[in-house]
Amino acid sequence: KAGVTQTPRYLIKTRGQQVTLSCSPISGHRSVSWYQQTPGQGLQFLFEYFSETQRNKGNFPGRFSGRQFSNSRSEMNVSTLELGDSALYLCASSFGETNEKLFFGSGTQLSVL
Amino acid sequence: QKEVEQNSGPLSVPEGAIASLNCTYSDRGSQSFFWYRQYSGKSPELIMFIYSNGDKEDGRFTAQLNKASQYVSLLIRDSQPSDSATYLCAVNIGNTGNQFYFGTGTSLTVIP
Repeated sequence: KAGVTQTPRYLIKTRGQQVTLSCSPISGHRSVSWYQQTPGQGLQFLFEYFSETQRNKGNFPGRFSGRQFSNSRSEMNVSTLELGDSALYLCASSFGETNEKLFFGSGTQLSVL
Repeated sequence: QKEVEQNSGPLSVPEGAIASLNCTYSDRGSQSFFWYRQYSGKSPELIMFIYSNGDKEDGRFTAQLNKASQYVSLLIRDSQPSDSATYLCAVNIGNTGNQFYFGTGTSLTVIP
């Protein structure tokens, strides 16, 4: 069974631009969540989608948004990029609805110049 | 106070020793507790989860949970150099959904 697939693996953008990251969950998993990982803050929860609905959102500005499609694939968008958005963005999928194990993708390393 | 706190380390143990990793959390309503291992340059991978007070063993790994003390730990017996990684403690947020607070991780080095 294929794991969680994230694309692209690396991105370099400049301040003010926007970016879209993609995540394909493990087949059969309906929950997709996104995390930002930085050396100083560790993993921080961005948002979670289940059956195309955003169920939970972390404490991030509105520039961070996402969506989930009917095939459970998810995208995350960051608009008006700031230097502080440079981070590893990890997508994780889960099978069940609540407090389930997370299976992480390889992540997208975003650098904002 | 952070929602999940871990000793950042680094923690060094000799090969064959027991490594003890600790985590405290602030939300008394938390129900689910996970330990993930993250190798340098890789994504986190699940190694243990525990929901009930007490111990849970899986091979060389034992997770311990004490909800009254809001404390969860991971013991790694017979530590191997391949166990050298950062260990992340994760605790659920709220009662619905799959969202978790993560600690900043404890870096473990097993010395051959």
